[in-house]
Amino acid sequence: GESVGLHLPTLSVQEGDNSIINCAYSNSASDYFIWYKQESGKGPQFIIDIRSNMDKRQGQRVTVLLNKTVKHLSLQIAATQPGDSAVYFCVVKGGSYIPTFGRGTSLIVHP
Amino acid sequence: NAGVTQTPKFQVLKTGQSMTLQCAQDMNHEYMSWYRQDPGMGLRLIHYSVGAGITDQGEVPNGYNVSRSTTEDFPLRLLSAAPSQTSVYFCASSYSGGQGGYGYTFGSGTRLTVV
Repeated sequence: GESVGLHLPTLSVQEGDNSIINCAYSNSASDYFIWYKQESGKGPQFIIDIRSNMDKRQGQRVTVLLNKTVKHLSLQIAATQPGDSAVYFCVVKGGSYIPTFGRGTSLIVHP
Repeated sequence: NAGVTQTPKFQVLKTGQSMTLQCAQDMNHEYMSWYRQDPGMGLRLIHYSVGAGITDQGEVPNGYNVSRSTTEDFPLRLLSAAPSQTSVYFCASSYSGGQGGYGYTFGSGTRLTVV
C-alpha cells in the first residue's frame, strides 16, 4: 500500500514569510497529488493539485512542487498570513479509488 | 449552497448503542466516502462508494456499515458503539473514474463521543 509522511508535524513562521510544507510518498505508481487545508473545527478544503506529468503548479499564493525521482512533494505558501494557520495534508492517489492522507503539518503563523 | 451536509454535528453515545451518521451531497458526485480523524492522525478511510448500490471497505471498516441506495445519500451506521469509535467523522464526495479530477468536497464533520 501507499504510505505518506510529512517531514514536520508543526511549522511556525512569521507573518509575511514564505512557508514550505513537505510530504514524502512511497509508491512510485502514484499519479495524482492533492493538498488540503483543515482549519480548526472544519473539514479539509482543497487547495491545489498536481498530476505526475507535471513538476510544478501554481495557484494564488501557493505553489506545489513534485519530485518524482525522490518521491517528494512540497507546498509553498507565499507571504504567509494569519488566515493560513491550519493543518495541511498531502493526499496521494494511485490507480485505486482509495487516497492516502498524510498525518498533517500544523502551520502556525505568528503576527 | 451546494456541498456535503453531515448530521448530526455532535453526538454522545453509550457503549453498545447504535446510530446512523447521515451524509448527503447535491453535486451529483458518483464517489462518496467516510473518514475518521483521531488526534494527531491523518484521515483514515472507513468505507467508500463509487455509485448507487456499490460500496466497498476502506482501511478501518470494522464496526461500521454503509449502504448507498441513492446518488445523494451515504449513511454510516455504527452497529454497537465502542469507546474506540470516539472520533471525528467526515463524509466526502467527488467525481470519480478515469483520469478525472479526484478532488474531494468534505462535510463539516460529526464529533462522536462514546462513553
